[in-house]
Amino acid sequence: EPEVTQTPSHQVTQMGQEVILRCVPISNHLYFYWYRQILGQKVEFLVSFYNNEISEKSEIFDDQFSVERPDGSNFTLKIRSTKLEDSAMYFCASRSTNTEAFFGQGTRLTVV
Amino acid sequence: GEDVEQSLFLSVREGDSSVINCTYTDSSSTYLYWYKQEPGAGLQLLTYIFSNMDMKQDQRLTVLLNKKDKHLSLRIADTQTGDSAIYFCAHGAAGNKLTFGGGTRVLVKP
Repeated sequence: EPEVTQTPSHQVTQMGQEVILRCVPISNHLYFYWYRQILGQKVEFLVSFYNNEISEKSEIFDDQFSVERPDGSNFTLKIRSTKLEDSAMYFCASRSTNTEAFFGQGTRLTVV
Repeated sequence: GEDVEQSLFLSVREGDSSVINCTYTDSSSTYLYWYKQEPGAGLQLLTYIFSNMDMKQDQRLTVLLNKKDKHLSLRIADTQTGDSAIYFCAHGAAGNKLTFGGGTRVLVKP
């Protein structure tokens, strides 16, 4: 069964460092999303991406965040200068036109 | 607003039915979803209901939607220990982002 895969499963980084979280969406999907879940809190929408551009972003997705689809398979989330409060589980999701969103297993980001 | 509210915790005995409730404020949603998250794992879609439906049954799962009260529930029949997890209610319009509730932690006791 096709699935969304995310790497790494756990990333530890020092405050101020840049991190790139990677996602491989399901191959025929066209819509891509990033969500995050701070420990013990609700899952929050960050950004949606379609046709090689951001279609919607939340207030959380400030200038420190960027997304990219560098090739036909990967979808990345970059945080330029990490802060302690960026520590969270980051989920990638993808969908095609007529399906629900499929979520990856998440990357746990720990900023120290 | 786009608030989605759920109770925090539910304890149930194995074999009993579980009912998890959710209320939302955004009446423009076209789909309402239930996701399951096991410890350390991702979000698994359990079921969803289209906003013009009142009920959907899928094996042990029954989803009830009261559009007037903006209330969604998930009933799990014959609850098993493997059903212990956090259950998230979410809503969204077709193709758009999902807005999640805070999750209900379900603990199934043997």
